[in-house]
Amino acid sequence: AQSVTQPDIHITVSEGASLELRCNYSYGATPYLFWYVQSPGQGLQLLLKYFSGDTLVQGIKGFEAEFKRSQSSFNLRKPSVHWSDAAEYFCAVGAKETSGSRLTFGEGTQLTVNP
Amino acid sequence: DAGVTQSPTHLIKTRGQQVTLRCSPISGHKSVSWYQQVLGQGPQFIFQYYEKEERGRGNFPDRFSARQFPNYSSELNVNALLLGDSALYLCASSAKMGGGIQYFGAGTRLSVL
Repeated sequence: AQSVTQPDIHITVSEGASLELRCNYSYGATPYLFWYVQSPGQGLQLLLKYFSGDTLVQGIKGFEAEFKRSQSSFNLRKPSVHWSDAAEYFCAVGAKETSGSRLTFGEGTQLTVNP
Repeated sequence: DAGVTQSPTHLIKTRGQQVTLRCSPISGHKSVSWYQQVLGQGPQFIFQYYEKEERGRGNFPDRFSARQFPNYSSELNVNALLLGDSALYLCASSAKMGGGIQYFGAGTRLSVL
């Protein structure tokens, strides 16, 4: 069975500082990996995805993530955080057998941005 | 184009009642998935429908059922509501059954009293 661990429940950074959110997954083969963001009262917005190929993936809003097979990780990064980035971030994995259609999510990381 | 739309936005029910949640996918999308998000947790997969057939089911009791209509909209039904069913129910649509990106609606907030 696939699983996702987001070790940090809550992270606080200052505006303009760099950000890294951790994600570790458990899956027997090459997974489909996603990062979603959720603002209060909103649904999930896709930031970026990894299916195959280049292990450094660029997404929207200046986010990027790197797939590291040896560490079973897919960490999300941003070089300079903006106040509007405050939200909850979810890492998700999809199995290739179901072509990524059944997503397993982590528990989420709540990001607070200080002015 | 409109995104994934869900109705109602909020719903309050009492234990033992039944509830129906509705979802309209993005135009042209044939796959709809349902997720339950309990407060403070990540979403959990409930069902996937593609071309009106159930293609996947998560670890949820038989009280949960769903269907997809010819226009690809979908309904999620929950019978005999329990307090623990209180959650945000998210619908996601994708253009194809697999390998595609899932686009999420804003969800229906269900409170069971």
